Amino acid sequence: DTEVTQTPKHLVMGMTNKKSLKCEQHMGHRAMYWYKQKAKKPPELMFVYSYEKLSINESVPSRFSPECPNSSLLNLHLHALQPEDSALYLCASSQVGTGPYEQYFGPGTRLTVT
Amino acid sequence: GQSLEQPSEVTAVEGAIVQINCTYQTSGFNGLFWYQQHAGEAPTFLSYNVLDGLEEKGRFSSFLSRSKGYSYLLLKELQMKDSASYLCAVILGGGSYIPTFGRGTSLIVHP
Repeated sequence: DTEVTQTPKHLVMGMTNKKSLKCEQHMGHRAMYWYKQKAKKPPELMFVYSYEKLSINESVPSRFSPECPNSSLLNLHLHALQPEDSALYLCASSQVGTGPYEQYFGPGTRLTVT
Repeated sequence: GQSLEQPSEVTAVEGAIVQINCTYQTSGFNGLFWYQQHAGEAPTFLSYNVLDGLEEKGRFSSFLSRSKGYSYLLLKELQMKDSASYLCAVILGGGSYIPTFGRGTSLIVHP
C-alpha cells in the first residue's frame, strides 16, 4: 500500500469555525509533513513530524495546530482562519534516515475560508 | 541561503522531446528529486539522482551534474497528458531528509 489518504477533499469554513484535516498512511513511514500550496506556486512546508514528534514548525501562525496521534495519522486543526489561508493543503510521508527518500503525497484538501 | 532555479514555463509539441532544467546553489547536497504535479492534484514522484549521470525511467530521464549544480528532466514522445508542473527538489543532507523545492516549471504540450 503506497497511498496517503486525506480527508476531507474539500472544505469550506467561516473565519470563526473550528475544523480538522486528517491524513493517514500505512507504509511505515516515520516522517509526516503538512504543506500549503497556492495556485501556480510550489508546496510550502508548514510542519514536519519525525517519529511522532514535531521536529519542524516553519513559523506557522498558531491558528494552525498539528497533531500526530500515532505513526500512521496526522491531523491539522484549524481555528479562526483568514481568507488568505485558502489553499490546497497537502500531507506527505517519507522514510527517515540517510536516504535520500522520496515523499509520497496525499491528494490534498482544498480549503476555502469565507 | 539555498536557491533552486527552474524556468517558469516550457512549451512543446506532442510527440517531441523536451528538457526541463533545474540549477541549484545549496549549502549541502544529498540528492535531487523530480516530481510531476497536475493542476489541483498532489505531486507524484518521477525520479531522483544522487550521483552524476543519467537515470532513465521509460519516457522520463533525469540527469545530474553535482559539480555544476545542474539537473534536467528529459521527457520523450510527449503526450498531452504530460502537461503539468514539474518540480525539482534538493535534499540538503547533513542529517536533513526534508526537500527544498524549486518553484516548478509549467509544461504545456500542444497538439
